[in-house]
Amino acid sequence: KAGVTQTPRYLIKTRGQQVTLSCSPISGHRSVSWYQQTPGQGLQFLFEYFSETQRNKGNFPGRFSGRQFSNSRSEMNVSTLELGDSALYLCASSPNLRGRAGELFFGEGSRLTVL
Amino acid sequence: GQQVMQIPQYQHVQEGEDFTTYCNSSTTLSNIQWYKQRPGGHPVFLIQLVKSGEVKKQKRLTFQFGEAKKNSSLHITATQTTDVGTYFCAGPREYGNKLVFGAGTILRVKS
Repeated sequence: KAGVTQTPRYLIKTRGQQVTLSCSPISGHRSVSWYQQTPGQGLQFLFEYFSETQRNKGNFPGRFSGRQFSNSRSEMNVSTLELGDSALYLCASSPNLRGRAGELFFGEGSRLTVL
Repeated sequence: GQQVMQIPQYQHVQEGEDFTTYCNSSTTLSNIQWYKQRPGGHPVFLIQLVKSGEVKKQKRLTFQFGEAKKNSSLHITATQTTDVGTYFCAGPREYGNKLVFGAGTILRVKS
Protein backbone atom coordinates (compact mmCIF):
# COMPACT_ATOMS: atom_id res chain seq x y z
CA LYS A 1 0.00 0.00 0.00
CA ALA A 2 1.44 3.37 -0.96
CA GLY A 3 2.22 5.81 1.82
CA VAL A 4 1.20 9.42 2.23
CA THR A 5 2.39 11.48 -0.70
CA GLN A 6 3.09 15.18 -0.46
CA THR A 7 3.92 17.54 -3.28
CA PRO A 8 5.95 19.52 -3.88
CA ARG A 9 8.77 18.34 -1.61
CA TYR A 10 10.66 21.62 -1.74
CA LEU A 11 9.68 25.10 -2.76
CA ILE A 12 10.95 28.62 -2.46
CA LYS A 13 8.64 31.62 -2.42
CA THR A 14 8.97 35.30 -1.68
CA ARG A 15 7.09 37.34 0.87
CA GLY A 16 3.59 38.20 -0.17
CA GLN A 17 3.16 35.25 -2.49
CA GLN A 18 0.81 32.39 -1.88
CA VAL A 19 1.45 28.66 -1.94
CA THR A 20 -0.62 25.50 -2.28
CA LEU A 21 0.57 22.18 -0.92
CA SER A 22 -0.97 18.86 -1.80
CA CYS A 23 -1.38 15.64 0.13
CA SER A 24 -2.60 12.24 -1.01
CA PRO A 25 -3.43 10.04 1.97
CA ILE A 26 -3.09 6.31 2.22
CA SER A 27 -5.86 4.59 0.32
CA GLY A 28 -8.88 4.16 2.56
CA HIS A 29 -7.83 6.81 5.07
CA ARG A 30 -10.47 9.48 5.43
CA SER A 31 -8.77 11.73 7.98
CA VAL A 32 -6.04 14.11 6.87
CA SER A 33 -4.22 16.40 9.28
CA TRP A 34 -1.68 19.10 8.61
CA TYR A 35 1.17 20.10 10.88
CA GLN A 36 3.78 22.81 10.70
CA GLN A 37 7.22 21.89 11.98
CA THR A 38 9.85 24.48 12.81
CA PRO A 39 12.98 24.18 14.95
CA GLY A 40 11.65 26.69 17.44
CA GLN A 41 8.00 25.66 17.73
CA GLY A 42 8.12 21.93 17.08
CA LEU A 43 5.08 20.25 15.57
CA GLN A 44 2.11 22.56 15.53
CA PHE A 45 -1.34 21.38 14.49
CA LEU A 46 -2.88 23.32 11.62
CA PHE A 47 -6.15 21.55 10.84
CA GLU A 48 -7.78 18.20 10.28
CA TYR A 49 -10.22 17.18 7.59
CA PHE A 50 -12.54 14.22 7.62
CA SER A 51 -14.96 13.41 4.81
CA GLU A 52 -14.39 16.84 3.23
CA THR A 53 -15.21 18.69 6.46
CA GLN A 54 -12.79 20.57 8.65
CA ARG A 55 -13.14 18.86 12.00
CA ASN A 56 -10.40 20.54 14.02
CA LYS A 57 -8.44 23.73 13.64
CA GLY A 58 -5.27 24.94 15.30
CA ASN A 59 -4.27 28.43 16.30
CA PHE A 60 -3.04 29.76 12.99
CA PRO A 61 -4.13 32.95 11.24
CA GLY A 62 -6.71 32.93 8.50
CA ARG A 63 -3.94 33.04 5.89
CA PHE A 64 -3.70 29.31 6.42
CA SER A 65 -6.54 27.37 4.87
CA GLY A 66 -7.21 23.92 3.60
CA ARG A 67 -9.71 21.66 1.99
CA GLN A 68 -10.34 18.03 1.33
CA PHE A 69 -11.76 16.49 -1.81
CA SER A 70 -14.15 13.60 -2.17
CA ASN A 71 -11.25 11.22 -2.83
CA SER A 72 -9.73 12.30 0.55
CA ARG A 73 -6.87 14.16 -1.09
CA SER A 74 -6.19 17.41 0.69
CA GLU A 75 -4.63 20.73 -0.08
CA MET A 76 -3.50 23.52 2.17
CA ASN A 77 -2.97 27.08 1.09
CA VAL A 78 -0.98 29.85 2.67
CA SER A 79 -1.61 33.33 1.37
CA THR A 80 0.46 36.49 1.80
CA LEU A 81 3.52 34.54 2.83
CA GLU A 82 5.70 35.83 5.65
CA LEU A 83 9.27 34.94 6.49
CA GLY A 84 8.05 33.10 9.56
CA ASP A 85 6.06 30.71 7.41
CA SER A 86 9.28 28.98 6.42
CA ALA A 87 8.84 25.47 7.75
CA LEU A 88 8.34 21.82 7.00
CA TYR A 89 4.65 21.20 6.39
CA LEU A 90 3.65 17.67 7.22
CA CYS A 91 0.51 15.92 6.19
CA ALA A 92 -0.69 12.89 8.10
CA SER A 93 -3.49 10.48 7.32
CA SER A 94 -5.39 8.13 9.53
CA PRO A 95 -8.27 5.72 9.10
CA ASN A 96 -9.75 7.36 12.20
CA LEU A 97 -12.10 4.53 12.93
CA ARG A 98 -14.76 5.31 15.54
CA GLY A 99 -13.66 8.94 15.68
CA ARG A 100 -10.84 8.31 18.13
CA ALA A 101 -7.32 9.62 17.71
CA GLY A 102 -5.25 6.81 16.32
CA GLU A 103 -1.93 6.29 14.65
CA LEU A 104 -0.94 9.01 12.23
CA PHE A 105 0.91 8.16 9.05
CA PHE A 106 3.04 11.12 8.03
CA GLY A 107 4.20 12.06 4.58
CA GLU A 108 7.74 13.22 3.96
CA GLY A 109 6.64 16.82 4.06
CA SER A 110 6.86 19.92 1.93
CA ARG A 111 9.72 22.18 2.89
CA LEU A 112 8.78 25.79 2.27
CA THR A 113 11.35 28.56 2.28
CA VAL A 114 10.11 32.14 2.19
CA LEU A 115 12.64 34.74 1.12
CA GLY B 1 -4.99 24.91 26.86
CA GLN B 2 -3.65 21.43 26.99
CA GLN B 3 0.11 21.20 27.05
CA VAL B 4 2.42 18.27 26.60
CA MET B 5 5.87 18.77 28.03
CA GLN B 6 8.82 16.59 27.24
CA ILE B 7 12.22 16.34 28.87
CA PRO B 8 15.08 16.38 28.30
CA GLN B 9 15.37 18.50 25.20
CA TYR B 10 18.64 16.88 24.17
CA GLN B 11 20.51 13.78 25.22
CA HIS B 12 23.93 12.70 24.07
CA VAL B 13 24.85 9.18 25.09
CA GLN B 14 27.68 6.81 24.43
CA GLU B 15 26.68 3.81 22.36
CA GLY B 16 25.57 1.08 24.72
CA GLU B 17 24.26 3.44 27.38
CA ASP B 18 20.59 3.66 28.24
CA PHE B 19 18.31 6.57 27.36
CA THR B 20 15.02 7.79 28.79
CA THR B 21 12.69 10.57 27.74
CA TYR B 22 9.74 11.73 29.81
CA CYS B 23 6.44 13.21 28.79
CA ASN B 24 3.94 15.05 30.99
CA SER B 25 0.51 16.33 30.09
CA SER B 26 -1.38 19.08 31.85
CA THR B 27 -4.58 17.06 31.42
CA THR B 28 -5.54 13.41 31.56
CA LEU B 29 -5.06 11.68 28.25
CA SER B 30 -7.24 9.01 26.69
CA ASN B 31 -4.09 7.62 25.12
CA ILE B 32 -0.54 8.62 24.37
CA GLN B 33 1.45 8.01 21.24
CA TRP B 34 5.17 8.00 20.57
CA TYR B 35 6.85 8.89 17.28
CA LYS B 36 10.42 8.87 16.06
CA GLN B 37 11.81 11.26 13.50
CA ARG B 38 15.18 10.53 12.00
CA PRO B 39 17.32 13.51 10.95
CA GLY B 40 15.92 14.83 7.67
CA GLY B 41 12.95 12.49 7.88
CA HIS B 42 9.35 12.55 8.96
CA PRO B 43 7.73 11.33 12.18
CA VAL B 44 7.08 7.62 12.26
CA PHE B 45 4.62 6.05 14.66
CA LEU B 46 6.16 3.81 17.31
CA ILE B 47 3.39 2.88 19.69
CA GLN B 48 0.14 3.88 21.35
CA LEU B 49 -0.61 3.33 25.03
CA VAL B 50 -4.18 3.37 26.23
CA LYS B 51 -4.51 1.81 29.67
CA SER B 52 -3.49 3.31 32.98
CA GLY B 53 -0.16 1.88 34.08
CA GLU B 54 0.38 0.16 30.74
CA VAL B 55 3.88 -1.02 29.85
CA LYS B 56 4.80 -2.15 26.35
CA LYS B 57 8.09 -3.34 24.95
CA GLN B 58 9.49 -3.29 21.45
CA LYS B 59 12.86 -5.01 21.50
CA ARG B 60 15.13 -2.53 23.34
CA LEU B 61 12.39 0.09 23.74
CA THR B 62 10.11 0.15 26.79
CA PHE B 63 7.10 2.46 26.93
CA GLN B 64 5.13 3.27 30.06
CA PHE B 65 1.87 5.12 30.64
CA GLY B 66 1.37 6.55 34.09
CA GLU B 67 -1.33 5.47 36.50
CA ALA B 68 -2.99 8.87 36.27
CA LYS B 69 -2.69 8.83 32.47
CA LYS B 70 -0.92 12.18 32.54
CA ASN B 71 2.66 11.05 32.04
CA SER B 72 4.62 8.60 29.99
CA SER B 73 8.17 7.53 29.37
CA LEU B 74 10.24 5.88 26.69
CA HIS B 75 13.33 3.97 27.74
CA ILE B 76 15.90 2.60 25.33
CA THR B 77 18.29 -0.02 26.63
CA ALA B 78 21.81 -0.18 25.24
CA THR B 79 21.46 2.51 22.61
CA GLN B 80 22.76 1.99 19.11
CA THR B 81 23.65 4.50 16.42
CA THR B 82 20.43 3.57 14.63
CA ASP B 83 18.50 5.04 17.56
CA VAL B 84 19.51 8.62 16.73
CA GLY B 85 16.67 10.98 16.04
CA THR B 86 13.99 12.97 17.78
CA TYR B 87 11.43 11.17 19.91
CA PHE B 88 8.04 12.81 20.28
CA CYS B 89 5.16 11.99 22.55
CA ALA B 90 1.68 13.12 21.55
CA GLY B 91 -1.72 13.13 23.18
CA PRO B 92 -5.12 13.59 21.58
CA ARG B 93 -7.17 16.65 22.23
CA GLU B 94 -10.90 16.96 21.74
CA TYR B 95 -12.51 14.93 19.02
CA GLY B 96 -10.84 13.43 16.04
CA ASN B 97 -7.18 13.31 15.26
CA LYS B 98 -5.92 16.55 16.76
CA LEU B 99 -2.74 15.52 18.48
CA VAL B 100 -0.77 17.79 20.78
CA PHE B 101 2.91 16.96 20.41
CA GLY B 102 5.62 17.42 22.96
CA ALA B 103 8.65 19.40 21.87
CA GLY B 104 10.60 16.20 21.40
CA THR B 105 13.86 14.83 22.76
CA ILE B 106 16.80 14.80 20.40
CA LEU B 107 18.96 11.73 20.91
CA ARG B 108 22.53 11.61 19.71
CA VAL B 109 24.58 8.45 20.09
CA LYS B 110 28.37 8.54 20.09
CA SER B 111 30.04 5.43 18.81
